[in-house]
Amino acid sequence: QQQVKQSPQSLIVQKGGISIINCAYENTAFDYFPWYQQFPGKGPALLIAIRPDVSEKKEGRFTISFNKSAKQFSLHIMDSQPGDSATYFCAASIDGSTLGRLYFGRGTQLTVWP
Amino acid sequence: KAGVTQTPRYLIKTRGQQVTLSCSPISGHRSVSWYQQTPGQGLQFLFEYFSETQRNKGNFPGRFSGRQFSNSRSEMNVSTLELGDSALYLCASSAERPSSYEQYFGPGTRLTVT
Repeated sequence: QQQVKQSPQSLIVQKGGISIINCAYENTAFDYFPWYQQFPGKGPALLIAIRPDVSEKKEGRFTISFNKSAKQFSLHIMDSQPGDSATYFCAASIDGSTLGRLYFGRGTQLTVWP
Repeated sequence: KAGVTQTPRYLIKTRGQQVTLSCSPISGHRSVSWYQQTPGQGLQFLFEYFSETQRNKGNFPGRFSGRQFSNSRSEMNVSTLELGDSALYLCASSAERPSSYEQYFGPGTRLTVT
């Protein structure tokens, strides 16, 4: 059972546009929601993360929006650049009994056209 | 600070053989987690170690095992390799709380089983 569902599977955006990737979860015990960026041949790199006590977090061109009641969170990439072309993964984890375990979405392959 | 390092980066093994992969966490990090990444199943959690103790384990058969040493370096072992074990094996490290949520990944070991 996929604990975190991610969409879309692939996304094509023009340079300068906004890329939006969405994730949904069912387990209300999740209390940490990171996003990772992965380039071919590399490991996932932590991009930005949020806790459920805030509704939005912004770091540079990257923003996480979090909707606790809907159990959804999304990544917005403003002014998308060709260098942003990569696979993006959302994830979630729970403090306590599942220490160290991240539940990942299936990933979104983003292509930014120049 | 040096990042997470994994060796070897690439490995080709034959069905039935066993393999050992190594991971050196970021200096000062005592938690090490292992993940398997495949196109079909995405990123799946294998196990997590902290202070030489396995704290959490994913849903993988007993052929997958791991250990952690006193210097926090970790190894994972896969015995009796199957074709389906071909994957990118990722190691991630994290510090103790309160920052223990942040996991930093290595570049991975690409295992091919023929």
